Amino acid sequence: DTGVSQNPRHKITKRGQNVTFRCDPISEHNRLYWYRQTLGQGPEFLTYFQNEAQLEKSRLLSDRFSAERPKGSFSTLEIQRTEQGDSAMYLCASSFPRRGYTFGSGTRLTVV
Amino acid sequence: RKEVEQDPGPFNVPEGATVAFNCTYSNSASQSFFWYRQDCRKEPKLLMSVYSSGNEDGRFTAQLNRASQYISLLIRDSKLSDSATYLCVVDRGSQGNLIFGKGTKLSVKP
Repeated sequence: DTGVSQNPRHKITKRGQNVTFRCDPISEHNRLYWYRQTLGQGPEFLTYFQNEAQLEKSRLLSDRFSAERPKGSFSTLEIQRTEQGDSAMYLCASSFPRRGYTFGSGTRLTVV
Repeated sequence: RKEVEQDPGPFNVPEGATVAFNCTYSNSASQSFFWYRQDCRKEPKLLMSVYSSGNEDGRFTAQLNRASQYISLLIRDSKLSDSATYLCVVDRGSQGNLIFGKGTKLSVKP
């Protein structure tokens, strides 16, 4: 399968716990993006990488959020001290610059 | 003004109908434009890119008016399988990332 892969598909966590999500992009794509989507809304931009460099972070990405893309391959998104408001679908996508994105299936986070 | 605004939904149409979605964007520096389709509880999937000259893919036609900062999607001969949420997507100019509208939900009924 050469698509974008995200793990886990679902995550239920207690408030205050830390969670980490992983994204494996399409190998030829040099750009990797993280978005968050809640019910009834379109995906909201969080951050993106070109190769291993994190080029932009949204104001939505509070200090509790951190993303990495070591070696310009897979990426991780960590949320520390989760809050109920963090419950959402976290989507990863990859692309070439100025091209449409290919999304992974997402990680659905539920904070209880 | 929101960066990308779409028609409020939902659109409920019978099979075979023609339906049009509209979208406006605020950043005149935007260079790339897309329509995405999202099925319930699934990831968005690229439906088509939108070019200034307009482009067609089977029953789907997309138009871009840069002067008015307006994008449209026309679906002819609607099928039950067209039922989904359609997302208007615009890039942020030089910053590179894409901005998604809230989406318009389409329900095609028999």
